[in-house]
Parts: sequence; C-alpha cells; structure tokens
Amino acid sequence: AQKITQTQPGMFVQEKEAVTLDCTYDTSDQSYGLFWYKQPSSGEMIFLIYQGSYDEQNATEGRYSLNFQKARKSANLVISASQLGDSAMYFCAMREGILLGSSNTGKLIFGQGTTLQVKP
Amino acid sequence: KAGVTQTPRYLIKTRGQQVTLSCSPISGHRSVSWYQQTPGQGLQFLFEYFSETQRNKGNFPGRFSGRQFSNSRSEMNVSTLELGDSALYLCASSLSLFGGGRNNEQFFGPGTRLTVL
Repeated sequence: AQKITQTQPGMFVQEKEAVTLDCTYDTSDQSYGLFWYKQPSSGEMIFLIYQGSYDEQNATEGRYSLNFQKARKSANLVISASQLGDSAMYFCAMREGILLGSSNTGKLIFGQGTTLQVKP
Repeated sequence: KAGVTQTPRYLIKTRGQQVTLSCSPISGHRSVSWYQQTPGQGLQFLFEYFSETQRNKGNFPGRFSGRQFSNSRSEMNVSTLELGDSALYLCASSLSLFGGGRNNEQFFGPGTRLTVL
C-alpha cells in the first residue's frame, strides 16, 4: 500500500545551519514522483522540490535539495543555510503512475508532516 | 503567471447546509485535485479532474462531489454539512496527469477554511 512516513514531528535548527527532514515511502509502482511542500501558519502549501523515480540525479532548487535513495525508499529534504522564514510545517508527498498512469495517478499521498522551528 | 486561486477564503456554515468551493488553476494546467486537511486526519485526497472528467476519487462519502469546466476551473460541493467537515480545503493544479518531470508538479492554492457550526 502506498504510504509516506515522516518520523520527526518537530525539529529545531539554528539560523544559518543546515537541516535534514526525513521521509520514507512505500510503493509497488515503478514510476512515481516525490514532492516536498512547506506550509506556513497561513495555510498555503508551497511547492519546494520534486524528484521523479527515474531521475538519475538528486533534485536541487536553491537552498533545497532532495537526498533520494531509491533502494532505501527514502527522500530526505535538506535545507541549507536555514533562515527564520523557514519556520513552518513541511510535508513529504508521493504521486504514483507518473509515466504511464495508474489508478492512483494524480493522487498525492502525504506524510504527517514535520514542524521546523528556526532559532535566531 | 498567476497562481492557483480559491474562493472564498473563509466560510462559516451550519450543519445541514451545503457549500460550493471554487478553484481556478494556473493558466495552461488541465489537472485539478482537491484535498481536505484536518488536524486529526492530516491531508486527504478528495478527487482529481482532468479534461472535465473525474479521474480519481478518495475515500469520502457521496456528500462530497465536484466538477470541472471546459476552462479547467473546478468546483467542489459538500451537501448536508456535518461538524466533521470543518477543515481547510486545498485545491492543486498540474499540467497533466502524467508524463514525468514538470508535468507532475502540483501547485496549491491558498485554501478555503470551512467552519461548520
């Protein structure tokens, strides 16, 4: 069954330091996509980064990088040089059937989220 | 390029009433998905529409329905509201259902916060 697990309910990081948010997933599909979203207290879900299961290189977007380890089924988010504005809830999500489609195509499965607090 | 817009942003209803929420996707995006977010259940998939057809549906009762118009705008409707329907309803759009790469990136709107009294 498709499942996303985020084992860290809450984390603290010092401003300007790097932080890793953990995400493991479970799927029997061969083509899937992994996403990270940031949700500040305002509620809006902000897209951060995407990794396709067939992508050979780890995705990077500015200060965000995704440490994709396919054999371990993990997709950890690394935020470098943390800023106070990074304080928010972070969600890892998965979407199956991204290349050929499946009954689950389009459906994002979310983890429970990790609350990150950046300390000045 | 404008992002995903949702209206209204806040809504207060009473039990038994019905509600319609609207979502306008990013220009050029043809897929629209809806999610419900509650503190207890987290983020749960409601349904997805592509080219005016419902392609996928989550595990919600029939009181929850939706549709998509020819311009890709989507609406969801909840009839006979219950207290447990109080939630943040999020809409997301993407270029396509599949195809890899940027086609699959889903962008969310600001959400509609529904309170049922």
